[in-house]
Amino acid sequence: DAGVIQSPRHEVTEMGQEVTLRCKPISGHNSLFWYRQTMMRGLELLIYFNNNVPIDDSGMPEDRFSAKMPNASFSTLKIQPSEPRDSAVYFCASSLLDGITDTQYFGPGTRLTVL
Amino acid sequence: GQQLNQSPQSMFIQEGEDVSMNCTSSSIFNTWLWYKQDPGEGPVLLIALYKAGELTSNGRLTAQFGITRKDSFLNISASIPSDVGIYFCAVPGASGGGADGLTFGKGTHLIIQP
Repeated sequence: DAGVIQSPRHEVTEMGQEVTLRCKPISGHNSLFWYRQTMMRGLELLIYFNNNVPIDDSGMPEDRFSAKMPNASFSTLKIQPSEPRDSAVYFCASSLLDGITDTQYFGPGTRLTVL
Repeated sequence: GQQLNQSPQSMFIQEGEDVSMNCTSSSIFNTWLWYKQDPGEGPVLLIALYKAGELTSNGRLTAQFGITRKDSFLNISASIPSDVGIYFCAVPGASGGGADGLTFGKGTHLIIQP
């Protein structure tokens, strides 16, 4: 299995630019999660989807952040416009809710630097 | 929201030593999880605990679900260089299952001195 795939692995952009992070969950998984990791705040949940439907976006810091899941195999996290304080590592994770196990599998992350 | 207090923040140990870390909370949980993060990678699940008092092992790792359901412990015996990384405790959201996102502790940085 390829695992959760995230792209790009690294992104450097200038303040004010639009940034789009991409995630391909593990095939067959029905839940997808976006997390952000910083030194100050640690790992934080931003938003998650069940069966492609956004369930809880209370962790999204501002209206500048948006996430979509147009189908079961693809999700995007967009920041527009980006700011230096958005610099962090963004992780996507997926899981299969089957009543037996609900382990979340994380991707390798996208390291975002906003100058 | 719920908050997990993880300690110690970092550990500097010699290879071969045993390691112990813990997480506490003021809230009760039905599931405790322990993850490890290697540099440049995402967290990987090590052990999942589902019952108060439960003691579960995974090789040299042993984790316990506190009887009060407000804490959990992770022990690593006879540490080796590949144990280096950041260890996180985590709990699921309001529903208590995988349908919710996870809340993570701040992590314990494990550094092994040769």
